[in-house]
Amino acid sequence: DVKVTQSSRYLVKRTGEKVFLECVQDMDHENMFWYRQDPGLGLRLIYFSYDVKMKEKGDIPEGYSVSREKKERFSLILESASTNQTSMYLCASSLGAGELFFGEGSRLTVL
Amino acid sequence: QQQVKQSPQSLIVQKGGISIINCAYENTAFDYFPWYQQFPGKGPALLIAIRPDVSEKKEGRFTISFNKSAKQFSLHIMDSQPGDSATYFCAASWGNYGQNFVFGPGTRLSVLP
Repeated sequence: DVKVTQSSRYLVKRTGEKVFLECVQDMDHENMFWYRQDPGLGLRLIYFSYDVKMKEKGDIPEGYSVSREKKERFSLILESASTNQTSMYLCASSLGAGELFFGEGSRLTVL
Repeated sequence: QQQVKQSPQSLIVQKGGISIINCAYENTAFDYFPWYQQFPGKGPALLIAIRPDVSEKKEGRFTISFNKSAKQFSLHIMDSQPGDSATYFCAASWGNYGQNFVFGPGTRLSVLP
């Protein structure tokens, strides 16, 4: 069964802290994505990666960075968390341009 | 225009009824139109998808109707069940890596027993 695992389901951080969100997929997918989900706004793409060490900005990359050192792992980094980054973060992977497989999400609260 | 518009924002249906959610897009480059279902506390999961070369696709109780000329597509859930209560997202995409997925804002469906 396909699986995308986000290691932290719930996090509470303070303004200015550095935050790491980890995502691992076991499907040998080339493509991995980080989305942000906010009520009424749907899912918005932060960054995606189509290969190891490759990354491309999505629609809302400001305040975020990513790292993909291994094919199965894609990390989202908030260098200095701010309250407007309180949100649900969803990691996804895909093979080619087809179905996106999502993790269960990481709910981040920044105080 | 990269937006995908979705309506209604919320929907309440009686058990056994038909649930209908509508989406519209502008970008004619989109070539893949999936619907995702999300239960509370879970990530979205693919429900059904269609490509623009067909006007309808049916999988069990779920049907996508696609109108290429109107740039609209809709999800119909027949014989709606309380277990269908979830948030539904339409989406549209193009591109070689799936990087151009655009999601609608979502519809929260509640099916009353």
